[in-house]
Amino acid sequence: GAVVSQHPSRVICKSGTSVKIECRSLDFQATTMFWYRQFPKQSLMLMATSNEGSKATYEQGVEKDKFLINHASLTLSTLTVTSAHPEDSSFYICSASGGITDTQYFGPGTRLTVL
Amino acid sequence: QKEVEQNSGPLSVPEGAIASLNCTYSDRGSQSFFWYRQYSGKSPELIMFIYSNGDKEDGRFTAQLNKASQYVSLLIRDSQPSDSATYLCAVNYSGTYKYIFGTGTRLKVLA
Repeated sequence: GAVVSQHPSRVICKSGTSVKIECRSLDFQATTMFWYRQFPKQSLMLMATSNEGSKATYEQGVEKDKFLINHASLTLSTLTVTSAHPEDSSFYICSASGGITDTQYFGPGTRLTVL
Repeated sequence: QKEVEQNSGPLSVPEGAIASLNCTYSDRGSQSFFWYRQYSGKSPELIMFIYSNGDKEDGRFTAQLNKASQYVSLLIRDSQPSDSATYLCAVNYSGTYKYIFGTGTRLKVLA
């Protein structure tokens, strides 16, 4: 149980384009989803927290207009990187939690490369 | 500011030995504690969580929590080369669903 999927697993795009990443909880209802970013040899950095049906809460320093998060249902959250630039190249990982515990289950991650 | 600290390592242990990973946290309001394993280039996978003081065992893994001293540890018995990874400690504080992550300890199990 507690499986979280992400799509795509890898994406390469040109500078200036937008990229959408999907995060799905496959076997449980995720009341809260989280989006993290991880640069090489660094720890996870929380970008934002989203609850189903409400606006995401962004961490300090994360541009909400650049990283658009939608949590439309209890099983799906999306992160759109708008007007991507090479410095946005990173490993983006979502996690989901639900039910009576606060345990976060992580998706497999999406590696974004912006040329 | 809430902090979670781990020794970055690498911690090297021979195959079959016990690996001991430690984590300290700053806020006494902490409620839940988690250990994740992250292989290079992959996302974190949950090993176990602990809420109460004392030991919690799951297979070769034992989590130990001491709220008075504000530390949580993970013991890996009969370490295998496949256990070589970065181990992340995460702490959840009451009233929030967010985790505070440590920077991780890199474990190397030598064959």
